[in-house]
Amino acid sequence: KAGVTQTPRYLIKTRGQQVTLSCSPISGHRSVSWYQQTPGQGLQFLFEYFSETQRNKGNFPGRFSGRQFSNSRSEMNVSTLELGDSALYLCASSPGLAGGPDTQYFGPGTRLTVL
Amino acid sequence: AQRVTQPEKLLSVFKGAPVELKCNYSYSGSPELFWYVQYSRQRLQLLLRHISRESIKGFTADLNKGETSFHLKKPFAQEEDSAMYYCALTAAGGTSYGKLTFGQGTILTVHP
Repeated sequence: KAGVTQTPRYLIKTRGQQVTLSCSPISGHRSVSWYQQTPGQGLQFLFEYFSETQRNKGNFPGRFSGRQFSNSRSEMNVSTLELGDSALYLCASSPGLAGGPDTQYFGPGTRLTVL
Repeated sequence: AQRVTQPEKLLSVFKGAPVELKCNYSYSGSPELFWYVQYSRQRLQLLLRHISRESIKGFTADLNKGETSFHLKKPFAQEEDSAMYYCALTAAGGTSYGKLTFGQGTILTVHP
């Protein structure tokens, strides 16, 4: 099976702009999680979607949002970009089976630079 | 709250030496623990999870609930083991809904 793909791989934006990142999960996976990775804070959970519903959310401001489509592809959006939003954004997919935590499979990430 | 601590940011060993990467966690419920690895220019990938009790690439990890630890061990390190290693935690039973809490990571370097 093809792995998790993320587009674009690199983005440069300026403060105040908004950005949309895309994630295509492994075929058959229904759960998509998003993480922000920075040198200072490490890997931090943003949110998780399953069957087009957000089931869990991390401690990030409302400028960070996401959605999931019926084919399980997911997008995340960051509005009013700040310099501190510069990071590697990772998405991970898993089957989303009931009864236990699944193994998450990670994409290569989107490197966002805010100038 | 969930917290994972990896006390060593950097760890260097020589080829053939034993290696232990430390991971301590804090969680009031029943945890599920993972080790993820990121080799140079590759994506983050699962190394092992405690529930499967498998040995992957010679690595093992035992969950010690009394000491709240999940240290990763390998008896004889190889140069290809050089990578960034992350310990991660989630709630057992799937109630964390996709949330993994990661430690800060340990960069392992194996010298020839």
